[in-house]
Amino acid sequence: NAGVTQTPKFQVLKTGQSMTLQCAQDMNHEYMSWYRQDPGMGLRLIHYSVGAGITDQGEVPNGYNVSRSTTEDFPLRLLSAAPSQTSVYFCASSYSVASGNEQFFGPGTRLTVL
Amino acid sequence: QQQVKQSPQSLIVQKGGISIINCAYENTAFDYFPWYQQFPGKGPALLIAIRPDVSEKKEGRFTISFNKSAKQFSLHIMDSQPGDSATYFCAASKGSNYQLIWGAGTKLIIKP
Repeated sequence: NAGVTQTPKFQVLKTGQSMTLQCAQDMNHEYMSWYRQDPGMGLRLIHYSVGAGITDQGEVPNGYNVSRSTTEDFPLRLLSAAPSQTSVYFCASSYSVASGNEQFFGPGTRLTVL
Repeated sequence: QQQVKQSPQSLIVQKGGISIINCAYENTAFDYFPWYQQFPGKGPALLIAIRPDVSEKKEGRFTISFNKSAKQFSLHIMDSQPGDSATYFCAASKGSNYQLIWGAGTKLIIKP
């Protein structure tokens, strides 16, 4: 199993550009989520999905869109990049939505918006 | 009421010493308390977790101590090693609400 994979690993954007961060898992996990990590602020939830076709907003959803057409893939779209979106982005998945299930994280995408 | 407060923000410990990281929470409905470990350039990974029906859980050199009345839990790393240098996050969740509420993280440096 590859686990949770993310691409790209690094990305530099100009303000106003759009892009998609890719996330895939091969563990048949029901729950997937996107976090951003900023210094001193821990992990903040952007969007999450409890299954194919079902998504919902997390703590900091503004400026981001998601979709989940398959169990495996959960891409994150930046519609019009802003410098405030400079961050490290992590995708995570979990077997089920029950509390107490381990979350498996991808290696992250480091995004810089100029 | 949803917050998990983690301290200290950073910690330097000599090799062989005990590293202690603390977390406090407000919501008494929380029933799952994991600790995640993150190395530079990597995603976090589950280290150890506890439920409130026990006061302590030990896995090797890592121990979670849980104080339900004080609404606090802590991670103890015994005989700390340079390889333990990482950022540690505490978190909490409740019942059917699978969302983890995260602490801000502690950067731990173990000096040789």
